[in-house]
Amino acid sequence: KQEVTQIPAALSVPEGENLVLNCSFTDSAIYNLQWFRQDPGKGLTSLLLIQSSQREQTSGRLNASLDKSSGRSTLYIAASQPGDSATYLCALTQGGSEKLVFGKGTKLTVNP
Amino acid sequence: DAGVIQSPRHEVTEMGQEVTLRCKPISGHDYLFWYRQTMMRGLELLIYFNNNVPIDDSGMPEDRFSAKMPNASFSTLKIQPSEPRDSAVYFCASSFRRILNQPQHFGDGTRLSIL
Repeated sequence: KQEVTQIPAALSVPEGENLVLNCSFTDSAIYNLQWFRQDPGKGLTSLLLIQSSQREQTSGRLNASLDKSSGRSTLYIAASQPGDSATYLCALTQGGSEKLVFGKGTKLTVNP
Repeated sequence: DAGVIQSPRHEVTEMGQEVTLRCKPISGHDYLFWYRQTMMRGLELLIYFNNNVPIDDSGMPEDRFSAKMPNASFSTLKIQPSEPRDSAVYFCASSFRRILNQPQHFGDGTRLSIL
């Protein structure tokens, strides 16, 4: 059974710092992996989607990487801002299913 | 586009009552998903539909839960009878064609409290 783990559960950094959020999974046979952002009381917003054949995706200050062989993905946030404060979740799908399996997220706080 | 629309945003009801959650997916999307989020278990898929047909309902907790999608623009998730342990945030999401590797788009959720 696929399990997705995100460590740490919470992270606090000063504004301007570059940071990395981690996601690990137990079964490397994935179809794609997504990173989401969730603000309090809101739904999830998709940030980046990496197909299994890709190594990374970039959008603005965000860069997500995928290493299937080691069962890891990272989300790199450059020059963090207070507006980046949110919970970040990774989720993946596996062949033959649209089902997203989620990690429990990392709650990020960027302090001014 | 208006995004995925869920109603109600909040629901408080007593144990034993019937609860109906509603979802309008993004127009043109052919997949619709229902998720439940709790502190203990995180986000879990309950059921998903493709072209209005249920594909995977293995996450539905028990017979008290049922979901329908009568047409491409509307879906309901019903709990009858409701229990306190059903208290959670329920999200609906939609997406378009897996082959294009499109992300799932989520609604703002329904916060359900069963007293």
